Amino acid sequence: EPEVTQTPSHQVTQMGQEVILRCVPISNHLYFYWYRQILGQKVEFLVSFYNNEISEKSEIFDDQFSVERPDGSNFTLKIRSTKLEDSAMYFCASSARRNSPLHFGNGTRLTVT
Amino acid sequence: AQTVTQSQPEMSVQEAETVTLSCTYDTSESDYYLFWYKQPPSRQMILVIRQEAYKQQNATENRFSVNFQKAAKSFSLKISDSQLGDAAMYFCAYRSANSNSGYALNFGKGTSLLVTP
Repeated sequence: EPEVTQTPSHQVTQMGQEVILRCVPISNHLYFYWYRQILGQKVEFLVSFYNNEISEKSEIFDDQFSVERPDGSNFTLKIRSTKLEDSAMYFCASSARRNSPLHFGNGTRLTVT
Repeated sequence: AQTVTQSQPEMSVQEAETVTLSCTYDTSESDYYLFWYKQPPSRQMILVIRQEAYKQQNATENRFSVNFQKAAKSFSLKISDSQLGDAAMYFCAYRSANSNSGYALNFGKGTSLLVTP
């Protein structure tokens, strides 16, 4: 069964550094998402992306965050200048249509020191 | 914004027994989707079951079934014949069917399910 893949599985970075989290959504899916989960807390929506543009973003997704689909397969989340509070599990997800169920990747654990 | 409440932080069930996880939500919309996701220790988010609000029939997937009470805004998950592999965090989630209401899945805080032999 096709799946969403995320790399790396774990990323450690120093405060103030830029990080790029990578995702390969399921190939025939059209909608892409990033969610995050701070340890012990609930999963929170960051951003959705459709037709090469952001379709919705949450208050968390401020100017430090950006997303890109640089080619036909990858979907990336960039954090320009990481803060300690950015430490979390970041999940990429995709769906075939707007109202189709989301398929999540295994997540990238980001640790900011 | 819609809120999803899971009032049970932790639940425990014996292997082969049945357990019900509770979920309530708050919305003024009439058309929406509800989901249960499972997150095992590996942290992957796995879709367990999905319910469309316009369907009166409760969704079932093998040992997993839901009790969807639209008027009460309740969406509980029943796991029958519990197995050790069912041990995980379970998240209830809401999503609007109205394109003007956005794309986000709103998650509850989760219920940690422990399965004992």
